[in-house]
Amino acid sequence: DADVTQTPRNRITKTGKRIMLECSQTKGHDRMYWYRQDPGLGLRLIYYSFDVKDINKGEISDGYSVSRQAQAKFSLSLESAIPNQTALYFCATSERRGYGYTFGSGTRLTVV
Amino acid sequence: KQEVTQIPAALSVPEGENLVLNCSFTDSAIYNLQWFRQDPGKGLTSLLLIQSSQREQTSGRLNASLDKSSGRSTLYIAASQPGDSATYLCGIRGGGADGLTFGKGTHLIIQP
Repeated sequence: DADVTQTPRNRITKTGKRIMLECSQTKGHDRMYWYRQDPGLGLRLIYYSFDVKDINKGEISDGYSVSRQAQAKFSLSLESAIPNQTALYFCATSERRGYGYTFGSGTRLTVV
Repeated sequence: KQEVTQIPAALSVPEGENLVLNCSFTDSAIYNLQWFRQDPGKGLTSLLLIQSSQREQTSGRLNASLDKSSGRSTLYIAASQPGDSATYLCGIRGGGADGLTFGKGTHLIIQP
């Protein structure tokens, strides 16, 4: 099994729908992150969490919310999806600031 | 705000060549720098992690260097192979908000 698992792998949804992307990890890391990747823009940080009680906004948090249900689980929600949220979404984990990151395989989200 | 630039944006070389990918950054106050590869539509695979106190790291045919004073890192790939074809991303962990700041990547094609 992968260290960082994202579900679903692919999702097509309609404008205005609420959608949740899920991430779970077996690394035992405290820090978890959500990124989105767009062609030509690279990867940008949406939210990050140091533990279940510590949630922080990243560069592009508008239109998104997150929930850290447990040390191993970090979910990203789009309350009312819009087409410009079509992107590849990645979850990542890290042990501490001096350590490297481990990424999941990504969720390809299409909003029509 | 940290800005990361990767040059070239794309590179196509014959198999067997040695090559260098470049990553430059504007803020030298970094914790570490991590090189990743990404295959089309896939997640990020970590290649090398260099701490701010280190000058280089090696793994097999890969060697990454870091020069904080000049704001540069290079990824050297020796004896390139078709399987090295991928997009290579440079991510920097800085001293401000947690999370990696990424360049837009170098799309590498190794011709058989």
